[in-house]
Amino acid sequence: ETGVTQTPRHLVMGMTNKKSLKCEQHLGHNAMYWYKQSAKKPLELMFVYSLEERVENNSVPSRFSPECPNSSHLFLHLHTLQPEDSALYLCASSRGTSGTGPSDEQFFGPGTRLTVL
Amino acid sequence: GQNIDQPTEMTATEGAIVQINCTYQTSGFNGLFWYQQHAGEAPTFLSYNVLDGLEEKGRFSSFLSRSKGYSYLLLKELQMKDSASYLCAVLDSNYQLIWGAGTKLIIKP
Repeated sequence: ETGVTQTPRHLVMGMTNKKSLKCEQHLGHNAMYWYKQSAKKPLELMFVYSLEERVENNSVPSRFSPECPNSSHLFLHLHTLQPEDSALYLCASSRGTSGTGPSDEQFFGPGTRLTVL
Repeated sequence: GQNIDQPTEMTATEGAIVQINCTYQTSGFNGLFWYQQHAGEAPTFLSYNVLDGLEEKGRFSSFLSRSKGYSYLLLKELQMKDSASYLCAVLDSNYQLIWGAGTKLIIKP
């Protein structure tokens, strides 16, 4: 148990569907992150939230829309995705941020394996 | 541009020692992380180095040389459960975390 949970663990969706990924952290952290992990590529930071305020959006396409209603929950809303968006989407948290990076170690959730048909 | 280089894949034998290297070229440096990721699981934190030298933590040690832009993760007394990917990440001068693509370590009996 890492203290960070993600649902669903697997998701298959068509390009016209709308779905949401959910992340919850039980660690009392103030910062949360969305990453995209594709095979044999570095982790790509998508969004960073610190105290529920977005501090970073790395030029992510608008078909990905994050939401952070409180410091324990993070959502990633998906619509009209493309097949190249198929990847593992990881959520992480840390006690705080320094700039857009973590102030210390990050705790990751198990990820959502997304397949876009 | 900013770059982190790690070998794509390494193979080692159970009970042996393996060293996974990471070289980086970043705009400034504010620390280097190593994470372990088993297939289908979350990355988990292994170590953080910000000063030159060796940090030992049980069977795992991490070394940093800032002047050479170089780090390594040393795994001793390898066990089958050490089969995983090992991710190197550097905090640059803007506190942006730059990730390597990871090294897949295969342990053979």
